Amino acid sequence: QKEVEQNSGPLSVPEGAIASLNCTYSDRVSQSFFWYRQYSGKSPELIMSIYSNGDKEDGRFTAQLNKASQYVSLLIRDSQPSDSATYLCAVSGGSEKLVFGKGMKLTVNP
Amino acid sequence: EAEVAQSPRYKITEKSQAVAFWCDPISGHATLYWYRQILGQGPELLVQFQDESVVDDSQLPKDRFSAERLKGVDSTLKIQPAELGDSAMYLCASRHYPSGANYEQYFGPGTRLTVT
Repeated sequence: QKEVEQNSGPLSVPEGAIASLNCTYSDRVSQSFFWYRQYSGKSPELIMSIYSNGDKEDGRFTAQLNKASQYVSLLIRDSQPSDSATYLCAVSGGSEKLVFGKGMKLTVNP
Repeated sequence: EAEVAQSPRYKITEKSQAVAFWCDPISGHATLYWYRQILGQGPELLVQFQDESVVDDSQLPKDRFSAERLKGVDSTLKIQPAELGDSAMYLCASRHYPSGANYEQYFGPGTRLTVT
């Protein structure tokens, strides 16, 4: 059974701080990695995708991938109260099927 | 901006009744997915379509759930009869295919089902 694990959380950070979200996965042949943001009562929104080792930056968001360690992370710089949401890590292998973690709830305190 | 459409947004039904959800993917997206998300959990795949064909329905409870995408565009997910444990958010997602290494899936707003 392919698994995606996220820290149980919740995570609380002050406004302006860096929020760090982590995810590990069990399937070594996984090829594609995604972070979705989900506000309470809403559907998941894709915010980052990463396919190769290293860092990928998009505005205040940075995704980091280490395939050797089977680890992917999301950093949110200059966190804002509007970043308060649940962040879902998702991993896809050759079958294109997305396997999601349980999510990490982030609260950014003004 | 193109979006995945779903209806209804909310549905309350009694157990043993039938319920149906509709999804219209982003135009041109050949791959369509139905997920179920229980509160506090990540989405779990129920069924994946490539055009009108089912690619993966291994997690679909086939005794009560059915899904179709007859013309390879919009899709319907049906539950009959509904059970209390079916209360969840039902999410539809779509993906452009083929598109090289791009496996990005985009979700619709979801249908919140409550079974009483």
